[in-house]
Amino acid sequence: DQQVKQNSPSLSVQEGRISILNCDYTNSMFDYFLWYKKYPAEGPTFLISISSIKDKNEDGRFTVFLNKSAKHLSLHIVPSQPGDSAVYFCAASAVNRDDKIIFGKGTRLHILP
Amino acid sequence: GAGVSQSPSNKVTEKGKDVELRCDPISGHTALYWYRQSLGQGLEFLIYFQGNSAPDKSGLPSDRFSAERTGGSVSTLTIQRTQQEDSAVYLCASSPRQGNNSPLHFGNGTRLTVT
Repeated sequence: DQQVKQNSPSLSVQEGRISILNCDYTNSMFDYFLWYKKYPAEGPTFLISISSIKDKNEDGRFTVFLNKSAKHLSLHIVPSQPGDSAVYFCAASAVNRDDKIIFGKGTRLHILP
Repeated sequence: GAGVSQSPSNKVTEKGKDVELRCDPISGHTALYWYRQSLGQGLEFLIYFQGNSAPDKSGLPSDRFSAERTGGSVSTLTIQRTQQEDSAVYLCASSPRQGNNSPLHFGNGTRLTVT
């Protein structure tokens, strides 16, 4: 039972354009959502998070949008840069229940020159 | 080095042998996780330690897998009688506490190959 789903295994975007990575979840108890970025042979690194009391959080080129009614979140990267090529993981947790963080399968983003 | 440290970085073992993977979390972090990433797969939750609470072992795939966290710091993941399907990158992560604004800090993982 996959509670966090990233349905696109890969995505290619032209440099300078917007990258949009999508994530769906099934557990209505989730109240904290995160995005991580992973390069080969390295551990994932934290990018940005959002609490369920918000619908948008922005940090530089990265913006996360949360649609609770649709149980959907997305990560926007604009403008996309070559260094953004990596695997992006969506994650979620029921913080108020002190529960574990669950990750999706990831989306590999290729930024094209 | 203030990050999460994992050892060894690579481990090749024969099927049927036992292996131990070590994680040194960031000092003071009370939450510690083990995940694994098999080839082409996402991050699969294995086990979660939070302070002095009983660990959440719900992700361990079989009774061949176990983990300990001694003194609330270093953790060891043990796989007994390894199988080829255990081959994966095993990632450890820690955070200061469970809660908002406490994202996980990951180590670089241990790549386990069972031959």
